[in-house]
Formats: sequence, structure tokens, C-alpha cells
Amino acid sequence: GQQLNQSPQSMFIQEGEDVSMNCTSSSIFNTWLWYKQDPGEGPVLLIALYKAGELTSNGRLTAQFGITRKDSFLNISASIPSDVGIYFCAGRSRSGGSNYKLTFGKGTLLTVNP
Amino acid sequence: GAVVSQHPSRVICKSGTSVKIECRSLDFQATTMFWYRQFPKKSLMLMATSNEGSKATYEQGVEKDKFLINHASLTLSTLTVTSAHPEDSSFYICSASLEGLQETQYFGPGTRLLVL
Repeated sequence: GQQLNQSPQSMFIQEGEDVSMNCTSSSIFNTWLWYKQDPGEGPVLLIALYKAGELTSNGRLTAQFGITRKDSFLNISASIPSDVGIYFCAGRSRSGGSNYKLTFGKGTLLTVNP
Repeated sequence: GAVVSQHPSRVICKSGTSVKIECRSLDFQATTMFWYRQFPKKSLMLMATSNEGSKATYEQGVEKDKFLINHASLTLSTLTVTSAHPEDSSFYICSASLEGLQETQYFGPGTRLLVL
């Protein structure tokens, strides 16, 4: 089956530092999505990428859809304490019919020290 | 826009009972909803894909008679955990997707199930 390798597993940074995390896949995806999950909550969509090479920003967040369609990265600039949480990448490929299943990475736990 | 709600947010039940979890898309019509299970400090595991008006498609290893899914309308899908056991205790999350050019999944806030 499809697998996503997300790294790093965890990060401990100081407030104000920049953060970078990435996902790689053994297969091609048509869409890359980045989510953030706070404890006890559902994932919240941060950025969606639909085209190979696409670079998209959402405030301090920037994500790119790799040109090979097998990878994506997420950067967070000037981190703040509320950036703490688990970040998941997810890739979407067409899986028969019109059902678009997501494959999730294992997540990156981000801790920001004030 | 694209708000998804779940009810209840938390539920505690006795072993052997059944529990129903509702997932609603509040401001859009969702032809497809997904049900996930998440264990502590783990990623999301897809359980089934639910299409309005048709039978759900279950992932390998997920018992369809154990986890009953009904998608009766374009805004509501339900997951019923039948004859719950302590090992069914988990965080259950639904998501809904919009059909169209730019489709993505929007997640509900999750339901914490504890089976005693």
C-alpha cells in the first residue's frame, strides 16, 4: 500500500525560530494536504496543494508540492507558542471510482519554548 | 465555510452496549464522508468511506458488522459501534469532502469513546 514518510517525528524549538518538516512517498499523489491537530481535537486544514511544483503560503506557513509528486514540505516562519501541536501531511490519490482516500504521515510533534 | 460537527464529543458506555456517533456537514453538502480512528500519539487510520445513499466501503481489517455506517443524507453520516468492548475505546474522527475541482477533506472535532 501507499506509505508516507514524515520527518522529523518531533521538534523542540525556541519561539521565533523557523521550522521545516517534510513528507516523502513511494508513489505519486495528485494532492498534498497539510493539517494541524491540537490535543483532543480534529485536524484542521492548513494548506492544500493541487499541482506539482505549486508553492502556497498561508500567513507564516508555506508549503510546496514536489515536482516529482512524491514529496512535500511545510515551513513555519517565526514560530509562536500557539504553533504547538501535531502536524500531519496527507496525500490524496484517486482510488477507484470517485472516492478520494487520504494517506496520512505519522505526524510531526512541534513544541515551541517561549 | 466547510464546517463539520460531531456528536457526542465524549461518550462513556458499558461493555456490550452500542454507541452511535453523528457527523454533520453544517454549511455544505458532502457526498462523501470518511470515518477515522486514532490511537494516542498515532496517526489517523481510515476505517471506511461513506457515500450518500450507498453502502460504505470498509478498509481491510475493519469489521463492517461491528462498525455500522449509515449515510442517509448529504449532510449526515452516522457510525454505530455495536456491542462495544474496551478495545474499541478510541478517538473517532469523521471528515467530509466537497465534490468538485478542488476537493479536500474537512474534519470534525472528534468523538472520544471510552468503553468500561
